[in-house]
Amino acid sequence: IAGITQAPTSQILAAGRRMTLRCTQDMRHNAMYWYRQDLGLGLRLIHYSNTAGTTGKGEVPDGYSVSRANTDDFPLTLASAVPSQTSVYFCASSASTSDPTDTQYFGPGTRLTVL
Amino acid sequence: GQNIDQPTEMTATEGAIVQINCTYQTSGFNGLFWYQQHAGEAPTFLSYNVLDGLEEKGRFSSFLSRSKGYSYLLLKELQMKDSASYLCAVMDSNYQLIWGAGTKLIIKP
Repeated sequence: IAGITQAPTSQILAAGRRMTLRCTQDMRHNAMYWYRQDLGLGLRLIHYSNTAGTTGKGEVPDGYSVSRANTDDFPLTLASAVPSQTSVYFCASSASTSDPTDTQYFGPGTRLTVL
Repeated sequence: GQNIDQPTEMTATEGAIVQINCTYQTSGFNGLFWYQQHAGEAPTFLSYNVLDGLEEKGRFSSFLSRSKGYSYLLLKELQMKDSASYLCAVMDSNYQLIWGAGTKLIIKP
């Protein structure tokens, strides 16, 4: 693999179900991010991780949790999905969070529909 | 609050020039980014400005005025493949990116 991969590509989920979106990068980047993208709105940060073992809350963290057990993986979990979590989810990574010149690279996205 | 404004949609003709504007109000400023996003795909990095002035990169140029909270992306010699959404984002004092909703650019032959 090269870059960032996300799985699944798309998913239809019943409300109340638990779901984990997977994200893996092979660029040895320290920082990773989860965004959601909704029509008419900008990308909104859900959670981020500056380095393995640490995570932080973004703009819209409620209903989501993350973990960063190692450098490469950054899964996003919806404990009990609700229809308002229907969105396209993008995982991104960058070499660091404190250097603005470190570009964020994005995965292909997961299209999630909660019914 | 933090706010990034850009037009929702623009239309231009193949071979022409188009300017996409972005205005911002953020808590701190650590640079302004432009990304391109084709429909159904991931955003990809186009440019980064942290100092006032124009940065040119091939057919694409990006301008920044920090005092005015304003940037624009200039696309020259438009090609059909330039049809995409263009996202403006500002890195705030916490080094987090604040994103605009994006400008959908439609190129007509």
